[in-house]
Amino acid sequence: DGGITQSPKYLFRKEGQNVTLSCEQNLNHDAMYWYRQDPGQGLRLIYYSQIVNDFQKGDIAEGYSVSREKKESFPLTVTSAQKNPTAFYLCASKGVGAEDTEAFFGQGTRLTVV
Amino acid sequence: AQKVTQAQTEISVVEKEDVTLDCVYETRDTTYYLFWYKQPPSGELVFLIRRNSFDEQNEISGRYSWNFQKSTSSFNFTITASQVVDSAVYFCALSGFSGGYNKLIFGAGTRLAVHP
Repeated sequence: DGGITQSPKYLFRKEGQNVTLSCEQNLNHDAMYWYRQDPGQGLRLIYYSQIVNDFQKGDIAEGYSVSREKKESFPLTVTSAQKNPTAFYLCASKGVGAEDTEAFFGQGTRLTVV
Repeated sequence: AQKVTQAQTEISVVEKEDVTLDCVYETRDTTYYLFWYKQPPSGELVFLIRRNSFDEQNEISGRYSWNFQKSTSSFNFTITASQVVDSAVYFCALSGFSGGYNKLIFGAGTRLAVHP
């Protein structure tokens, strides 16, 4: 079945460590996105990418990094520079242009700093 | 710049009441898309509707209806005869082309509580 997969579902990080969240899609979508959601809050855009090897900062990119080496994959690294990383992270993919679609979301990764 | 405003943080209704969730957007793009998503307590985002900027027809799907008005930059969502299962957080979203990139942003969400 086509879809978007995030892993892991739960992730625990010690302070000072970098962690990488995985996001894979087999929908052949060009655009991919990462969002952060804090309790009782909306979705804030971290990074987005429309083509391989290119990505753009969203509204809260500081302390995060991404790569887009393959169309299907858009991993997010939460670096030690992110001072408050505990949150729910959602990845999405979307068709664009002539193939525009709604955004499809993964199940999310809940990151906790311990 | 793009912006989505959902001014209603929380709404509480009794079952069978009608409820309208407001969404106001800002964009300089002439072509854009608007969306509504539902987020139940389990956390996943459930797609409800997508509307492009050239289609101002209102839409009805069962108990759900959407009113898109470009003149007021609004895309409001009405649930008729609400049910307890409608309790969730609802997000309005906007997709446009900022500098040639397909940026997708969300409003802060409206938490709807439907009580028996």
